[in-house]
Amino acid sequence: NAGVTQTPKFRILKIGQSMTLQCTQDMNHNYMYWYRQDPGMGLKLIYYSVGAGITDKGEVPNGYNVSRSTTEDFPLRLELAAPSQTSVYFCASSYGPNTEAFFGQGTRLTVV
Amino acid sequence: GESVGLHLPTLSVQEGDNSIINCAYSNSASDYFIWYKQESGKGPQFIIDIRSNMDKRQGQRVTVLLNKTVKHLSLQIAATQPGDSAVYFCAVGFRGSNDYKLSFGAGTTVTVRA
Repeated sequence: NAGVTQTPKFRILKIGQSMTLQCTQDMNHNYMYWYRQDPGMGLKLIYYSVGAGITDKGEVPNGYNVSRSTTEDFPLRLELAAPSQTSVYFCASSYGPNTEAFFGQGTRLTVV
Repeated sequence: GESVGLHLPTLSVQEGDNSIINCAYSNSASDYFIWYKQESGKGPQFIIDIRSNMDKRQGQRVTVLLNKTVKHLSLQIAATQPGDSAVYFCAVGFRGSNDYKLSFGAGTTVTVRA
């Protein structure tokens, strides 16, 4: 039972490069989320999705894009990487908005 | 909106003692409260949750207490073990104008002394 799987685990990007963080879940959850975690801070919501074909902005969406073509997958796209996007990114999924969320292992991204 | 704060950023506990981690929230309409544990290099892991129609809920070695009057939430860990060393986050949920929102606190780092 894999749960939530994120790839890659680590990545170094140069300023201006783009990349996609992959996230897939096998629990048939409708809700999926992308968070970023900066040192000493809580999790900040970037984007979320309540089901296939539906996405919405969270607290800190600028510089990111998402898509949700299937229930299982929720990739996060960085188009023009900036140093401010250096962070640890977590994908999560849940059955509903006020139920337990399952998190992936995280992607540590450094933009130089 | 909602702001979530933890009373102490760090907590050092003797092995075998009980740990208490506190969390305060601001929105009286908040109705869902959840605690996560995050070990180094890993994603947050669910510990326990509680809804606003309850004031206490117990799990295995953990108890969550909710005081809606003063908007305070606490996590108690009984007989703390070395494996309990981690960062603990509280998250508070409330229904916004368009959707349901969950706000996370900054985390309390718990260190267990042998």
